[in-house]
Amino acid sequence: GAGVSQSPRYKVAKRGQDVALRCDPISGHVSLFWYQQALGQGPEFLTYFQNEAQLDKSGLPSDRFFAERPEGSVSTLKIQRTQQEDSAVYLCASSAGADSSYEQYFGPGTRLTVT
Amino acid sequence: DAKTTQPPSMDCAEGRAANLPCNHSTISGNEYVYWYRQIHSQGPQYIIHGLKNNETNEMASLIITEDRKSSTLILPHATLRDTAVYYCIVLINFGNEKLTFGTGTRLTIIP
Repeated sequence: GAGVSQSPRYKVAKRGQDVALRCDPISGHVSLFWYQQALGQGPEFLTYFQNEAQLDKSGLPSDRFFAERPEGSVSTLKIQRTQQEDSAVYLCASSAGADSSYEQYFGPGTRLTVT
Repeated sequence: DAKTTQPPSMDCAEGRAANLPCNHSTISGNEYVYWYRQIHSQGPQYIIHGLKNNETNEMASLIITEDRKSSTLILPHATLRDTAVYYCIVLINFGNEKLTFGTGTRLTIIP
């Protein structure tokens, strides 16, 4: 079947604008993760969902960042009042569940540029 | 999670075996060694994982030392498409565990 998809692939926002990034995980995958990757760095964890429950949001850098997964499938990462330091690639990953396959499958990412 | 140490970069000739080392001297008995790679402009891709025995799949082999303080990822016949950043990650094997990537090893395959 299809892998993890993300949209848009590229987003340019003016400083202060709100943005919404979408993730479509692999069908049936229970776990969903968001990561942020700055230029030249490895991905860094933002938040984790198990089905619709957000179980870990310890990596969200500020209260301007908000994520949801209301029906336990598609997830949206929202950034309010974007700042230049928010410029990064935002990666979504899904895995089958807490008691089965542990590999995380990543989408291609959304490159956000804040001008 | 245990911290890992990897060389920042390596080169390997096309067609030769690429051996990527990783030190994880503080690994706990219930922690696994995972390898992911990230090709330019793509999301990370799972390669292989192991606990203490050597593992092999269609992509690579993973050799873990007996004391489990280090491991080596082996790509047996490297191709240009294997040029990527390779990440060694140690974690307890739960499906809900976040990945801590570090800076990885940038592997360049030379034609």
